[in-house]
Amino acid sequence: GESVGLHLPTLSVQEGDNSIINCAYSNSASDYFIWYKQESGKGPQFIIDIRSNMDKRQGQRVTVLLNKTVKHLSLQIAATQPGDSAVYFCAESTGGGNKLTFGTGTQLKVEL
Amino acid sequence: NAGVTQTPKFRILKIGQSMTLQCTQDMNHNYMYWYRQDPGMGLKLIYYSVGAGITDKGEVPNGYNVSRSTTEDFPLRLELAAPSQTSVYFCASSARQTKNSPLHFGNGTRLTVT
Repeated sequence: GESVGLHLPTLSVQEGDNSIINCAYSNSASDYFIWYKQESGKGPQFIIDIRSNMDKRQGQRVTVLLNKTVKHLSLQIAATQPGDSAVYFCAESTGGGNKLTFGTGTQLKVEL
Repeated sequence: NAGVTQTPKFRILKIGQSMTLQCTQDMNHNYMYWYRQDPGMGLKLIYYSVGAGITDKGEVPNGYNVSRSTTEDFPLRLELAAPSQTSVYFCASSARQTKNSPLHFGNGTRLTVT
């Protein structure tokens, strides 16, 4: 069936470096994608979203890139900080927009 | 601004017991959702609601029931708890359809069924 998945389960980076978290999706009809951050013991927190009519969107220290040709999504975090340590999920909307399909998540660890 | 509030935070049930997970939001959002998250996995949609009086099944609805009598509240009911329902449950809300409005999540209810 359709799915959204992540390439790397764990990513370790040095404080101050840039982080890149990748996500592959298989539903070519998906037209909306979201990145969430989940800290231990908390619910997912919205980071940034992008629609399929765009290939790049920037926020504060974060950039999302969408490559529809290869069905790939990435989240770039600039100057990674200890507070960025968390699990990051990508998600896509299906079936007209009322449902999200989540990937399994990537654990980002920031080393001092 | 409280956002999405879930109660209880933790609960242990015995097989066959029932319980209701409470969820309330103060953002006047029409759309509300229940997800479950198993260890090391992403979230799976159980049920959702597009407004008071309207509910629909998600990906994994079996063993659960919901109701939406008000805009603010969206309780999730487990009638006969089973070990397979051990999970962390997240309630979420959004102002509009997902494609136009990101979800706001509560902090979850950790349920253990033994």
